[in-house]
Order: sequence, then structure tokens, then C-alpha cells
Amino acid sequence: NAGVMQNPRHLVRRRGQEARLRCSPMKGHSHVYWYRQLPEEGLKFMVYLQKENIIDESGMPKERFSAEFPKEGPSILRIQQVVRGDSAAYFCASSPRSANSPLHFGNGTRLTVT
Amino acid sequence: DQQVKQNSPSLSVQEGRISILNCDYTNSMFDYFLWYKKYPAEGPTFLISISSIKDKNEDGRFTVFLNKSAKHLSLHIVPSQPGDSAVYFCAATSGANNLFFGTGTRLTVIP
Repeated sequence: NAGVMQNPRHLVRRRGQEARLRCSPMKGHSHVYWYRQLPEEGLKFMVYLQKENIIDESGMPKERFSAEFPKEGPSILRIQQVVRGDSAAYFCASSPRSANSPLHFGNGTRLTVT
Repeated sequence: DQQVKQNSPSLSVQEGRISILNCDYTNSMFDYFLWYKKYPAEGPTFLISISSIKDKNEDGRFTVFLNKSAKHLSLHIVPSQPGDSAVYFCAATSGANNLFFGTGTRLTVIP
């Protein structure tokens, strides 16, 4: 009974490179969420997706960030031309439905930009 | 604009005693509230939730209380155990798509 799987656990990128973070939701869950946690802060919502659709991207920076959840395969959070301020822990969560149900989180990807 | 606030960054409690973690919110549209527990290098783990139609929900050693008029909720853990030591996050939603999280309270249970 696998939980939410994220990989890689740690990712180091130089400024200007691209970062790709992957998330496989729990079995039976069709709703995926991405959150970011900066040091000493709470988790901040970035984007909510269902299969092949972005439902809410109100928390996503307008530039350099994109997310997808294709029909087949994991959800991908992509950060182009990374900057030092992108260094954070990125958490993916999934749920079986959208309203008033707990989100189940993965163990996160810690991105370090050097 | 922090809509969910946890004003105590840390709390220390003796083993066996009660731990009370507090959370305040500003958005009166929130109708579902959750508590998560987080260990270092792991993702948050769901603990307990409460709908705005209730004022109390209990699950074993964990009880969440909701005071809608004060826009305040609290998590009680009794008796506290050393394994409860972690960071606890309060979260809220209006039934929309995203959860708003507080900044967390680090609980230390002293054996």
C-alpha cells in the first residue's frame, strides 16, 4: 500500500539549470497538489491538478514554474532557470476527491540551488 | 497574508501531561480544519480534522476543538508521549482546492 512517492529526495542544481520533480499519487487518488516549504515557514500552496488538467495554479510563480499530471505517469513540477531563492522543500500531496478530504503527503524533494 | 496563524513556535511538555497546541485563522469562509504532524525529512502526516459544523472531534489521544466565533482551534494530546515530539501544523480550507497552513509549532515531550 504505497503512499505518495516523490523523487528525487534531494536535488542539487546550479543557477540557470532546470529542475524536474516527480510525484506519483497514492493508488486511487486522482487529485494532486504541490506545496513548497521555505526554511522556518509553513507550507505554501502552489498548484492543484487532476489528470491532464490544471485546476488551480494560483500559488505558482508566473514565470519559470510549470506543472503537469499526464494521463499516464507521475505528476511533474518543472522549474526552469533555477535561482537561489528556489531552494526549498517541495511536497506533493494527493487525495481521492477535491473537497474536504485530508491530503496525503509524500516525503518531499529538497532542492538546493548553488 | 497569513490566514492561518500558529503564534507559538515551540512548546515543551512533560511526558504524561497534556499538550495544547493553538491555531487562529482570519478567513470566516474556512469550513474544514486539519492538524498535521511532521518529523524532520518527512512529509506531513494527517492527524485529525474537524468540520465547521462541529466544535469537537476526538480520535484516541487527540482531540481538536473549534471555536468559530473566536476563529480559533486547538489540538489536545493527552497523555503526551515522547514519540509525539514533532512539528505540528494547523491547516484550513474553504472547501476549495488548497489548504492554508500555519507556520507550525515544535512540540517537545520530555521523558
